[in-house]
Amino acid sequence: NAGVTQTPKFQVLKTGQSMTLQCAQDMNHNSMYWYRQDPGMGLRLIYYSASEGTTDKGEVPNGYNVSRLNKREFSLRLESAAPSQTSVYFCASSYDRGTEAFFGQGTRLTVV
Amino acid sequence: AQSVTQLGSHVSVSEGALVLLRCNYSSSVPPYLFWYVQYPNQGLQLLLKYTSAATLVKGINGFEAEFKKSETSFHLTKPSAHMSDAAEYFCAVSAIYNQGGKLIFGQGTELSVKP
Repeated sequence: NAGVTQTPKFQVLKTGQSMTLQCAQDMNHNSMYWYRQDPGMGLRLIYYSASEGTTDKGEVPNGYNVSRLNKREFSLRLESAAPSQTSVYFCASSYDRGTEAFFGQGTRLTVV
Repeated sequence: AQSVTQLGSHVSVSEGALVLLRCNYSSSVPPYLFWYVQYPNQGLQLLLKYTSAATLVKGINGFEAEFKKSETSFHLTKPSAHMSDAAEYFCAVSAIYNQGGKLIFGQGTELSVKP
């Protein structure tokens, strides 16, 4: 049972490049989340999807877009990467809104 | 809106000593509360959760936390620290009936354990 799988694990982008972070869960969870983790700031919610077909902004959505492709997959897109988006990105899922979340191993993104 | 404040970004204890990590929350509706642990270069793992049942919650690895509504607190404790407890700990709050169940995290507390 893989749980929450994120790809890629590491990525280096140049300023202005675009990329999509992929996330898939195999636990039949309804809710999915994208967070970024920066030193001293904890995890900040970028976007979340309470159920298939819905997405909502979190605390720091600027510069990002998301797609809830189906129940299993929730992708995060950076259209024009900026150095301020250098961070570790975590995808998570939970059975229902507000219940405990299960996390992927993270994507370490560096924008130069 | 929900929010979480973790008091102390770094806590250092000696092996065998009491561990106390502080968390205060703000929520306009009855909250669900969680503690997660993160080991270096890994994702987050659930330690324990409060979901309006017993106010004293026991989790994995000997940790427990007590929900105190009057103090809006959910502090994490362990009677005797072990070297393997060194990690970063995050408190989180959610509210099923409000704001779509967003899960909001505190800033984290890094726990160091001295031999």
